Amino acid sequence: EVQLVESGGGLVKPGGSLRLSCAASGFTFSYYSMNWVRQAPGKGLEWVSSLTSSGTYTYYADSVKGRFTISRDNAKNSLYLQMNTLRAEDTAVYYCARDRGFGEQPDAFDIWGQGTVVTVSS
Amino acid sequence: DIQMTQSPSTLSASVGDRVTITCRASQSIDIWLAWYQQKPGKAPKLLIYKASSLESGVPSRFSGSGSGTEFTLSISSLQPDDFATYFCQQYNTYWGTFGQGTKLEIK
Repeated sequence: EVQLVESGGGLVKPGGSLRLSCAASGFTFSYYSMNWVRQAPGKGLEWVSSLTSSGTYTYYADSVKGRFTISRDNAKNSLYLQMNTLRAEDTAVYYCARDRGFGEQPDAFDIWGQGTVVTVSS
Repeated sequence: DIQMTQSPSTLSASVGDRVTITCRASQSIDIWLAWYQQKPGKAPKLLIYKASSLESGVPSRFSGSGSGTEFTLSISSLQPDDFATYFCQQYNTYWGTFGQGTKLEIK
């Protein structure tokens, strides 16, 4: 079964850090570009970051640029999001999502994890 | 940055109705548009990609159309399972902007 499972969310104080993980199974992880998308409570979807299949290219939303770092370990079939200098407005459910097609062009997101909750509060 | 605007924000309809949701891009995105369905507490589900291609396993009552800056998602005969929130997303660029969502409610 094709699956993505996020972990690493939790409660953190403003200015703190968290590292999210996304474990992939059921497909050849190294073939696909991967993404993080978040959803604040009661709000819509916000694209956060993308990483191409090769790991060569990274992309970030302006709201997280300079604070978040996306990475992957193809040997471990895992995607990561290092989140530093967290703010209250980063509070959200964080989803990892797979690009639908192979290669390094942008694509729709066909497989999503169940999400992990990040709460930034003092 | 490309902005995506959905309308309406809320749509009330009955089982069996045909409904249409519109998504407009602030600049041309060719056909690089996806539609997702999301139910409360669940991850989004891909319905349509490349503006009009139906994702595998998605019922044929869902259809998408459009190119350039104007796109539509139609549901031909609403079923009880279709009441959810729908989002469009452009992927002409890697910073894949989402629309603000359309909540489809039971009338």
